[in-house]
Amino acid sequence: TQLLEQSPQFLSIQEGENLTVYCNSSSVFSSLQWYRQEPGEGPVLLVTVVTGGEVKKLKRLTFQFGDARKDSSLHITAAQPGDTGLYLCAGANGANSKLTFGKGITLSVRP
Amino acid sequence: DSGVTQTPKHLITATGQRVTLRCSPRSGDLSVYWYQQSLDQGLQFLIQYYNGEERAKGNILERFSAQQFPDLHSELNLSSLELGDSALYFCASSVAPYSNQPQHFGDGTRLSIL
Repeated sequence: TQLLEQSPQFLSIQEGENLTVYCNSSSVFSSLQWYRQEPGEGPVLLVTVVTGGEVKKLKRLTFQFGDARKDSSLHITAAQPGDTGLYLCAGANGANSKLTFGKGITLSVRP
Repeated sequence: DSGVTQTPKHLITATGQRVTLRCSPRSGDLSVYWYQQSLDQGLQFLIQYYNGEERAKGNILERFSAQQFPDLHSELNLSSLELGDSALYFCASSVAPYSNQPQHFGDGTRLSIL
């Protein structure tokens, strides 16, 4: 079983601060996805990364896939209260394999 | 709005009972996934269907079963319910059955076992 460890588990910051959170594994993934989930709703896909070292930007969010494709990071610049939510990473090893989700990072951005 | 519809939103029942959760995938999506989300285990993959056929199985208990119908909607049946089955159950859908495809999630069914 491939395990994804996300850290930190909880993060509470002030509006305007920058932050970086992590998704780590000892296994290699062919692709990795990041989702955001808000209370009472299902996860929503933010990005998919497939190439080692790949960097993708989504407005103030920057996602990086590790060179060895075993880890990923999410950096948020100038966090806003609207960024509050549960951030989940999910990896797969092969197109026909299932997605394995981490337990998530609960982010709270205070106004 | 993801386009994935799950009913009911909330379900309260007792131990030993049986329930059915329903999912209508996004228009055009052929693959349906079921997940269980709890505080201690996170989001756990249960089972996947593609165009009516079972494609992959995860940590699904023998008391649980699912199917995908010709109109592509899916149902998850949970029987002999136990207190530990209390959780959020999510359905997701994708166009193709591959792991790098975006999955679109419904808003879940919250199951509470009393």
